[in-house]
Amino acid sequence: AQSVTQPDIHITVSEGASLELRCNYSYGATPYLFWYVQSPGQGLQLLLKYFSGDTLVQGIKGFEAEFKRSQSSFNLRKPSVHWSDAAEYFCAVGGGGATNKLIFGTGTLLAVQP
Amino acid sequence: DVKVTQSSRYLVKRTGEKVFLECVQDMDHENMFWYRQDPGLGLRLIYFSYDVKMKEKGDIPEGYSVSREKKERFSLILESASTNQTSMYLCASISGTGGAYTFGSGTRLTVV
Repeated sequence: AQSVTQPDIHITVSEGASLELRCNYSYGATPYLFWYVQSPGQGLQLLLKYFSGDTLVQGIKGFEAEFKRSQSSFNLRKPSVHWSDAAEYFCAVGGGGATNKLIFGTGTLLAVQP
Repeated sequence: DVKVTQSSRYLVKRTGEKVFLECVQDMDHENMFWYRQDPGLGLRLIYFSYDVKMKEKGDIPEGYSVSREKKERFSLILESASTNQTSMYLCASISGTGGAYTFGSGTRLTVV
């Protein structure tokens, strides 16, 4: 079955510390992978996406993610977290095609301590 | 930039009412989606459409219907609202050639 797992429901980091949010997927074909961020009361904003090529993907706001096929993972990283990064983060997987359906993880809520 | 507009940010409706949630996108996207978002459950697909007048059920279509009479507009209909449909509803669109979803700001619906 196709699925996305974000094992960490809630993470707290100190401002300036590094961050890694985990994402594991199960998908039968070559996946398209995405990370979205959601600020309170808002819609989802795309951080970065992986379709093919270089497995290390750079996104907006200083985020990056690495696709590891052997581990079925697409973890999100940031070297130094800012207070404004506090939000909920969603990983998603899809295969493109005519419908472009995505499967989303349950999200990781990030809190940033001063 | 693509813009996806959801007509209402907050709605309060009574049990049994028929509720319409509207979504409009301005970039000629073929595919449009309705999700509901609940704490701990992430985003769950209700319905999607890949062309005008075309629709397909997602993972949780029960109690909902949709309408897509024009390419830019995708409406979600709650035929008879119930309290378990209290949720955040998110609309998204994407070009038929692929890319990434663009989301609206969401509609927080409360059914009392």
